[in-house]
Amino acid sequence: EPEVTQTPSHQVTQMGQEVILRCVPISNHLYFYWYRQILGQKVEFLVSFYNNEISEKSEIFDDQFSVERPDGSNFTLKIRSTKLEDSAMYFCASSGTSGGQETQYFGPGTRLLVL
Amino acid sequence: AQTVTQSQPEMSVQEAETVTLSCTYDTSESDYYLFWYKQPPSRQMILVIRQEAYKQQNATENRFSVNFQKAAKSFSLKISDSQLGDAAMYFCAYRSAWSGNQFYFGTGTSLTVIP
Repeated sequence: EPEVTQTPSHQVTQMGQEVILRCVPISNHLYFYWYRQILGQKVEFLVSFYNNEISEKSEIFDDQFSVERPDGSNFTLKIRSTKLEDSAMYFCASSGTSGGQETQYFGPGTRLLVL
Repeated sequence: AQTVTQSQPEMSVQEAETVTLSCTYDTSESDYYLFWYKQPPSRQMILVIRQEAYKQQNATENRFSVNFQKAAKSFSLKISDSQLGDAAMYFCAYRSAWSGNQFYFGTGTSLTVIP
């Protein structure tokens, strides 16, 4: 069964450094998402991406964040200058075409720790 | 914004017994989707069941079923014949049918299955 994959599984970085989190969505999906989950808190929406552009973003997704689909398979989240409060689990998700876009399939997550 | 509330931070159930996890949501929309996701210790969120708001019939998936009460804005998950592998964090999620793709998650219920 197709799955969303994410790399790396864990990343430790120094405050102020740039990080890039990578995701490979399910191959025939057209909608891509990033969510984050700070330890002990609920999963929060960051951004959705469709047709090579951002379709929605939350107030969390400020100028420090960007997303990109650099090729036909990868979907990346970049944090330009990490802050301590960016420490969280970051989940990528994807959903299908109009017949099935309602259900989002999640990757295993990347645990980001900012020191 | 829509809000999703899970009032039970923790629940436990004896193996082979039945447990019900509660979820309520607040929305002014009439058309939407509701989901239950399971997040085992491995951290990947797995879709358990989904419900379309326009359907009156409650969704079922093997041992998992929901009690969808649209007027009460309630969406509880029933797990029958609980198994040790059901132990996980369970998240309820809401998605609008028309105003965007983002999911709104509850804070989760941690389910323990007692052998």
